[in-house]
Amino acid sequence: EIVMTQSPATLSVSPGERATLSCRASQSVSSNLAWYQQKPGQAPRLLIYGASTRATGIPARFSGSASGTEFTLTISSLQSEDFAVYYCQQYNNWPLTFGGGTKAEIK
Amino acid sequence: EVQLLESGGGLVQPGGSLTLSCAASGFTFSRYGMSWVRQAPGKGLEWVSAIRGDGGSTYYADSVKGRFTISRDNSKNTLYLHMNSLRAEDTAVYYCAKTIFGKNWFDPWGQGTLVTVSS
Repeated sequence: EIVMTQSPATLSVSPGERATLSCRASQSVSSNLAWYQQKPGQAPRLLIYGASTRATGIPARFSGSASGTEFTLTISSLQSEDFAVYYCQQYNNWPLTFGGGTKAEIK
Repeated sequence: EVQLLESGGGLVQPGGSLTLSCAASGFTFSRYGMSWVRQAPGKGLEWVSAIRGDGGSTYYADSVKGRFTISRDNSKNTLYLHMNSLRAEDTAVYYCAKTIFGKNWFDPWGQGTLVTVSS
């Protein structure tokens, strides 16, 4: 099983600041990596797939990148609606696995 | 608009059974893979099971293999999760999600249905 490790667990950011979230895979997943946003009481929403492709309707302030087994989700300027929990997920191998999540909270 | 609506959750005793349903609309159901993903209270996301569009291939997490069965009825645009031998650790919100089989990211997700396993 591929283990996905996200860091930090909690990220304290002021509105308008840049946020950088990390996700590391225990082995190669190629570019088969997705990012999701989940707000309290809601289902997750797809943000990024293929490590760097924004899903339909996702604002340009969200971007994804990859370097080997290290993946990054960057939010260029945090808006109030972006404070949420973010999960990465690999879909290169079965079983499909998620990271433990990063909570972006207001500083 | 793609819509997924789960139902069937509730309170069940340990060792009991339950079947979840996910009614799909807004897309050609038989052309897409589907998955179940769960989230225990206050915890992260855990993929549970997946099925190909034609129902010909299924996959399971080790934690549910042999106890849960995923199936679909393409004539009814409905996905199912049959859960047997339920344990306290199966307590979670269960989401269904649409995938492109072979490119298994989840988009969109249903609103979820809560399963509570307790005596």
